[in-house]
Amino acid sequence: GENVEQHPSTLSVQEGDSAVIKCTYSDSASNYFPWYKQELGKGPQLIIDIRSNVGEKKDQRIAVTLNKTAKHFSLHITETQPEDSAVYFCAASRGTGFQKLVFGTGTRLLVSP
Amino acid sequence: GAVVSQHPSWVICKSGTSVKIECRSLDFQATTMFWYRQFPKQSLMLMATSNEGSKATYEQGVEKDKFLINHASLTLSTLTVTSAHPEDSSFYICSARDSPRVATEAFFGQGTRLTVV
Repeated sequence: GENVEQHPSTLSVQEGDSAVIKCTYSDSASNYFPWYKQELGKGPQLIIDIRSNVGEKKDQRIAVTLNKTAKHFSLHITETQPEDSAVYFCAASRGTGFQKLVFGTGTRLLVSP
Repeated sequence: GAVVSQHPSWVICKSGTSVKIECRSLDFQATTMFWYRQFPKQSLMLMATSNEGSKATYEQGVEKDKFLINHASLTLSTLTVTSAHPEDSSFYICSARDSPRVATEAFFGQGTRLTVV
């Protein structure tokens, strides 16, 4: 089955710096890659996603890149703000809504003012 | 975006009792819902896939007789933790997708923190 690895496990940056979180996946049939932000005591919230027919996607300060050949994808947050502090999870799944999401291990991002 | 509502948000129960957690899709029909468990500072681990009108599919190592799942309608799935023990204390989260044909965003409930004393 699918296995998703995520690095780093913790990331501390100064406000205004950029943050990059990387994930690798094992199942070449996976074609949907979302990123979730989870705040303490809450469920995950989608922040951006990408499909395998696209190499990069951007939404304001957040971008995701995908390298299908190497089976890795990354989350880039620019101009970080203290409110970006949270745990971020990458995930991967195959093509239909019936397919489960397999999550990475999570990255705790701390943005210091 | 679509909303998934989970209830209760937290519950404390005595060891040996059963607890039911509800997951509702508020503005879409969800033929498939997913139940996850998350221990402190860990990732979400899929427990089971809940299919409307049929039996749930459990992940390896998850006891189906302990974690009963019922998906009786297109908008409601329930997870019942039977004969709960302290080691069942965890954060339980459900999710649903609004399209069975295409891999789309999975909407998550706000989670239920279960504490078994």
